[in-house]
Amino acid sequence: AQKVTQAQTEISVVEKEDVTLDCVYETRDTTYYLFWYKQPPSGELVFLIRRNSFDEQNEISGRYSWNFQKSTSSFNFTITASQVVDSAVYFCALRIYGNKLVFGAGTILRVKS
Amino acid sequence: DAGVIQSPRHEVTEMGQEVTLRCKPISGHNSLFWYRQTMMRGLELLIYFNNNVPIDDSGMPEDRFSAKMPNASFSTLKIQPSEPRDSAVYFCASSLEGQTYEQYFGPGTRLTVT
Repeated sequence: AQKVTQAQTEISVVEKEDVTLDCVYETRDTTYYLFWYKQPPSGELVFLIRRNSFDEQNEISGRYSWNFQKSTSSFNFTITASQVVDSAVYFCALRIYGNKLVFGAGTILRVKS
Repeated sequence: DAGVIQSPRHEVTEMGQEVTLRCKPISGHNSLFWYRQTMMRGLELLIYFNNNVPIDDSGMPEDRFSAKMPNASFSTLKIQPSEPRDSAVYFCASSLEGQTYEQYFGPGTRLTVT
């Protein structure tokens, strides 16, 4: 089965706390791509990052970092020193055969001031 | 650069009416995707095109839905006749397959069928 699981339905933190959003995927493919998208309250879907299955190097971009571990089929996303503007729904997605993306159910992140 | 453009942004229509949603992908992208987002079902892929050719329409709910891509810069998703259960946000996305793969989404069309 090709599947993405985001077990955390909703997370609430206070501003400046660090927060990690979990993503676990299932695929039979040996080559695949993983993505994170952000959907702020305004509704648009914003691409954040792409990771290839053959590149397990972690990545940091400002306050954002991603931890990709093939051994546990996980692609977790950490926001350091969260801000109110980080409040959004975050989706993890897996690119399967053809060009299709399978999305997780999303994690609602609420950052309170 | 302009992103993916969708129109209209909001559409309210009565059951039984025809609805046409429009999308202009990012220039140079070779794949286009139509998604539907609802609270109950999340994000669902309806159909996607590669080089203007429909590749997979297995997500299209039923015959009332149809999609076309007459050229590389325009696509439509039509619902005829519309039903209240079609109420959702419809997203169009485009990507450059073979190079970068990430899909860039338009702002969405919020459809309400009464």
